[in-house]
Amino acid sequence: GESVGLHLPTLSVQEGDNSIINCAYSNSASDYFIWYKQESGKGPQFIIDIRSNMDKRQGQRVTVLLNKTVKHLSLQIAATQPGDSAVYFCVAKRRYSTLTFGKGTMLLVSP
Amino acid sequence: DVKVTQSSRYLVKRTGEKVFLECVQDMDHENMFWYRQDPGLGLRLIYFSYDVKMKEKGDIPEGYSVSREKKERFSLILESASTNQTSMYLCASSIRRVDNTEAFFGQGTRLTVV
Repeated sequence: GESVGLHLPTLSVQEGDNSIINCAYSNSASDYFIWYKQESGKGPQFIIDIRSNMDKRQGQRVTVLLNKTVKHLSLQIAATQPGDSAVYFCVAKRRYSTLTFGKGTMLLVSP
Repeated sequence: DVKVTQSSRYLVKRTGEKVFLECVQDMDHENMFWYRQDPGLGLRLIYFSYDVKMKEKGDIPEGYSVSREKKERFSLILESASTNQTSMYLCASSIRRVDNTEAFFGQGTRLTVV
């Protein structure tokens, strides 16, 4: 796996705001970049991924942006809800490698 | 829905005991993984398996072993439990090895070694 890091350990937002979770990675040879969400008392859950030949991918209320020039990945969550409160992990992965998780960023959503 | 089931949610064991953590997946996935999760350290890979009867070391295999006798079941073994193995243990499975980004995790087993 590849080493990843996070800019902010905790992010607090108001319900309805947009959230942006940032991640820096070290291995420019990574083929995939992935976001996982871990709610309290549960295992991590896949959210969205993006291939290294893309710079943007959208899902339901989420958008992932990849900037390979500065080795930066972000997850944007639109209209953040209390159910979005969780720890978010970014993962940089090569085709054959296993998943290597960073320390995570905690997102706290207040009403 | 894919289901990954870990046999215990909470376990308390004594130092020196042999401990078995069991994991079963119901989607015929090729790959299975064991991670441990500790505050401030994220998830760390202990062992993984790409097929029945095969195993590969992850980043922190010391003090652990694994067994995969059937495709759906992957066991983590602590030969002689120590207090520094107190942790949350997470099992995961995924459908294939190459170009795979989605792993399915169990709910975790919180192990306390006293």
